[in-house]
Amino acid sequence: DQQVKQNSPSLSVQEGRISILNCDYTNSMFDYFLWYKKYPAEGPTFLISISSIKDKNEDGRFTVFLNKSAKHLSLHIVPSQPGDSAVYFCAASGDAGNMLTFGGGTRLMVKP
Amino acid sequence: GAVVSQHPSWVICKSGTSVKIECRSLDFQATTMFWYRQFPKQSLMLMATSNEGSKATYEQGVEKDKFLINHASLTLSTLTVTSAHPEDSSFYICSAPLQVEAFFGQGTRLTVV
Repeated sequence: DQQVKQNSPSLSVQEGRISILNCDYTNSMFDYFLWYKKYPAEGPTFLISISSIKDKNEDGRFTVFLNKSAKHLSLHIVPSQPGDSAVYFCAASGDAGNMLTFGGGTRLMVKP
Repeated sequence: GAVVSQHPSWVICKSGTSVKIECRSLDFQATTMFWYRQFPKQSLMLMATSNEGSKATYEQGVEKDKFLINHASLTLSTLTVTSAHPEDSSFYICSAPLQVEAFFGQGTRLTVV
């Protein structure tokens, strides 16, 4: 039973445009959500997070939106840059700092 | 941000041998570390939770006698893949939580031939 799902395995976006990566979850006990970026053969690097008490968190070009009623979150990257090309994982936790449950990842390709 | 150092970054070993992977938190103490495994084009799957000074907690389906975890200090956790077989070939990543974030090691690509 996949508790965190990223239904789009890949996404292709033109440089300068907005990239929107989506994530759905089923466990209502999750209260903290994170996005990680991963290059091949490297560990994930933290991008941005959001607590369930918020519906939006912004950090530079990255914004995460949380819709608790829909159990859905999304990561917006604007403007997209070729260096953003990577696999993006959303992750959820039932307790801040506790173990993470990951989605399957979405491969983002930003074309110059 | 905090740094978690994992090594080796890649290792090739013969079937039947054992491989040790180290994970160190360089600038903070980690009473807990998580070990994940990633198969090609798949998500990160939690294998076990390593607790300093006590036994690790393994996820269902993970053989604790095959994947030995030791968390001897607040900055070091090790994963030993014993009697490795080709099906153990994978990408292994450790993670240490700090406050509300989790910091990952660089990962270890294990290839068993």
